[in-house]
Amino acid sequence: GEDVEQSLFLSVREGDSSVINCTYTDSSSTYLYWYKQEPGAGLQLLTYIFSNMDMKQDQRLTVLLNKKDKHLSLRIADTQTGDSAIYFCAEVNQAGTALIFGKGTTLSVSS
Amino acid sequence: DSGVTQTPKHLITATGQRVTLRCSPRSGDLSVYWYQQSLDQGLQFLIQYYNGEERAKGNILERFSAQQFPDLHSELNLSSLELGDSALYFCASSVSGVTDTQYFGPGTRLTVL
Repeated sequence: GEDVEQSLFLSVREGDSSVINCTYTDSSSTYLYWYKQEPGAGLQLLTYIFSNMDMKQDQRLTVLLNKKDKHLSLRIADTQTGDSAIYFCAEVNQAGTALIFGKGTTLSVSS
Repeated sequence: DSGVTQTPKHLITATGQRVTLRCSPRSGDLSVYWYQQSLDQGLQFLIQYYNGEERAKGNILERFSAQQFPDLHSELNLSSLELGDSALYFCASSVSGVTDTQYFGPGTRLTVL
């Protein structure tokens, strides 16, 4: 069935780069998304990538898409303590009716 | 601020009770989505409404129902509540379909005792 998988935890030092990885199953997904959830808050859309792109850069964020391996990654440059949050990868389901989310990667940034 | 509002922020109730969660979408958005976030299941899609009509159903229990009103706000009704229904319930809205960016509200935390 449709599934999105992410590693559960990532710990980095302030100033380092963070790379959060995600694998998905539906090769027909048109868009893939990254959302951020801070403690006690809702999901905030960080960025998205269209399936015909390999890379998208937006300030400190770089999204890489490898369609052959169905692998998506989010790189955060110069990670700050304020980046500590849970990051969710999501794809559109095959029916085109809903987003399927991974379980989320908790990013912990230490100073 | 995503522009999506949800009320109440917190809700504590007992097993067997019924509650209603409310969501107002962003101005101009016609679609509303409901999601449930729990520790064991993660973030699960429940149901989508578009311009007042149900458009898609996900893992929504029969004890749960939703509707979207002419002013486009939506309500999620949860009845015969069980301990396992304790979760964060998010509403999201988008302009039209699921490939349009979904903007999430802050969520309603439901605790069933």
